[in-house]
Amino acid sequence: DAGVIQSPRHEVTEMGQEVTLRCKPISGHNSLFWYRQTMMRGLELLIYFNNNVPIDDSGMPEDRFSAKMPNASFSTLKIQPSEPRDSAVYFCASNGGTSNQPQHFGDGTRLSIL
Amino acid sequence: DAKTTQPNSMESNEEEPVHLPCNHSTISGTDYIHWYRQLPSQGPEYVIHGLTSNVNNRMASLAIAEDRKSSTLILHRATLRDAAVYYCMWGGDKLTFGTGTRLTIIP
Repeated sequence: DAGVIQSPRHEVTEMGQEVTLRCKPISGHNSLFWYRQTMMRGLELLIYFNNNVPIDDSGMPEDRFSAKMPNASFSTLKIQPSEPRDSAVYFCASNGGTSNQPQHFGDGTRLSIL
Repeated sequence: DAKTTQPNSMESNEEEPVHLPCNHSTISGTDYIHWYRQLPSQGPEYVIHGLTSNVNNRMASLAIAEDRKSSTLILHRATLRDAAVYYCMWGGDKLTFGTGTRLTIIP
């Protein structure tokens, strides 16, 4: 049973470059969440989708960040242009779409912006 | 704001029970209490959740106070693999992770 799949696992790039993080949720799950984890701020919810529609993006730090979910099996989180302060571990999670269902997390993407 | 209060850290001996407390005095009447844990270099992992009654699963038990303002996660027999940061949360679709409790298991 495949879990949430994130790619790449690690990304190192120079500031100013565009970064695209990818997520494949568990098949049949209709809610998808993007989180960011840093030592300073802990785990923060950036945005979540339900049935491919963004429901709450209040956690997206600024206009440099954008997220899309073109279909039920794929989502992207894009940072353009990237800055060193964007360095963090980014997690994607999915669940069946109701608030009492557990979220299943991917292994994360460790992003380093030089 | 879905605020919870947990001790920063706890220690327990291996093969002994562990009780991890959480205060959530501002919880609303219909929101579930969720517990997740995060092992080093991994994503958070669901542990257990409940609304009013105590809950058991293969990983842990969740004891919820009658007024729902606090709960306790119970690991019945801690192993070294249970060393992790444990997060207690409540909310609807939007879960707010606090700083959690870092659990250390002493061999």
